[in-house]
Amino acid sequence: DIVMTQTPLSVSVTPGQPASMSCKSSQSLLQSGGKTFLYWFLQKAGQSPQLLIYEVSSRVSGVPDRFSGSGSGTDFTLKISRVEAEDVGVYYCMQGMNLPPTFGQGTKVEMK
Amino acid sequence: QVQLVESGGGVVQPGRSLRLSCAASGFTFSNTIMHWVRQSPGKGPEWVAVISSDGAREYYGDSVKGRFTISRDNSKNTLYLQMNSLRPDDTALYYCAKSYHTWGQGTLVTVSS
Repeated sequence: DIVMTQTPLSVSVTPGQPASMSCKSSQSLLQSGGKTFLYWFLQKAGQSPQLLIYEVSSRVSGVPDRFSGSGSGTDFTLKISRVEAEDVGVYYCMQGMNLPPTFGQGTKVEMK
Repeated sequence: QVQLVESGGGVVQPGRSLRLSCAASGFTFSNTIMHWVRQSPGKGPEWVAVISSDGAREYYGDSVKGRFTISRDNSKNTLYLQMNSLRPDDTALYYCAKSYHTWGQGTLVTVSS
């Protein structure tokens, strides 16, 4: 199985300041067809995970443009340009390159 | 809008069975790959199983292979998860998911004597 490793495990951010988190996969997520199957989810307290970003950098409809995804191969980053109170929760990366899909351990974002 | 509503969870003794259902609406269910994903208390999500849009192909995670069966009834817009030989470590909130894009609110399964 592909192992997904997220860092840091938690981050405390001042409202309005940027935040960044990393996700590394144990093998490349680039498919021969050119797509890279890396997803980012946010799970707010008491809610199910919601998809924010698919295929590394494509935002789901309705996701604010302060969220951006980047990376390639095995190294990926999610950035929040200006963190708002509603952004707190646990962020998970997930690979959909191979079955089984696997998740990282999560990065918990808290407000200072 | 897309809606996924899971049901069928509850408390069950080890070794027993349970069947979960997921009622789908707001999209063309028969054209959509569907997943079950679970999340144990305080842990991250764990993918369980996937089924093709026509129900012809299924894949399972190693931890449930041989015990769980995913199925669907496209005439009823409903996804199922038959869970047999349940173990305490199957205790989790079980979500159905439309591709990876939309998840339900989950149904809680607790396996305990």
